[in-house]
Amino acid sequence: DGGITQSPKYLFRKEGQNVTLSCEQNLNHDAMYWYRQDPGQGLRLIYYSQIVNDFQKGDIAEGYSVSREKKESFPLTVTSAQKNPTAFYLCASKTQSSTDTQYFGPGTRLTVL
Amino acid sequence: GESVGLHLPTLSVQEGDNSIINCAYSNSASDYFIWYKQESGKGPQFIIDIRSNMDKRQGQRVTVLLNKTVKHLSLQIAATQPGDSAVYFCAERVPGNTPLVFGKGTRLSVIA
Repeated sequence: DGGITQSPKYLFRKEGQNVTLSCEQNLNHDAMYWYRQDPGQGLRLIYYSQIVNDFQKGDIAEGYSVSREKKESFPLTVTSAQKNPTAFYLCASKTQSSTDTQYFGPGTRLTVL
Repeated sequence: GESVGLHLPTLSVQEGDNSIINCAYSNSASDYFIWYKQESGKGPQFIIDIRSNMDKRQGQRVTVLLNKTVKHLSLQIAATQPGDSAVYFCAERVPGNTPLVFGKGTRLSVIA
């Protein structure tokens, strides 16, 4: 997993509750990313951040929010506005170089009951 | 927008045979490509990458081939083993440090 940690591995929440997923990296990477993966599907980009205190929306940002107060941390909040939040969430990071490898964390499986 | 796609969603191979996983990309400006392996319930793992100024790159039991003329990328796995069973994703990046664009993935099933 290359120094990227996501916690917890499994998370259960009741419908209507906000929930924050943790992503931490000790690789000194500038850029961090959040993806959503549904069963049997590919990866869809939610948000990304290329530098501290800055982030951009990905393809499916609605119903999610992020912050990047520290280089090592990029938490994702799944809000009650997200219509179908149950999914596998993956965090990734890389250096600023465009051709450096992007490494993924182990993922958090969120189930909304 | 342009996206990466795959020719085959599933692939079954006999243990010991070679596997070839294909990927078609549509953005001719892409200059960097990566293959990832994802086992069930885990995050994707980097396998091999290739830059657009190369046609071929080899790793341990894996080879990536890039054909820019037809915008095609392939991953070859030699002597496929049961541990190779996973979903394989290709990804591309256009210049400018933009986020990777991922294909839908191919599931490789190795028959013992």
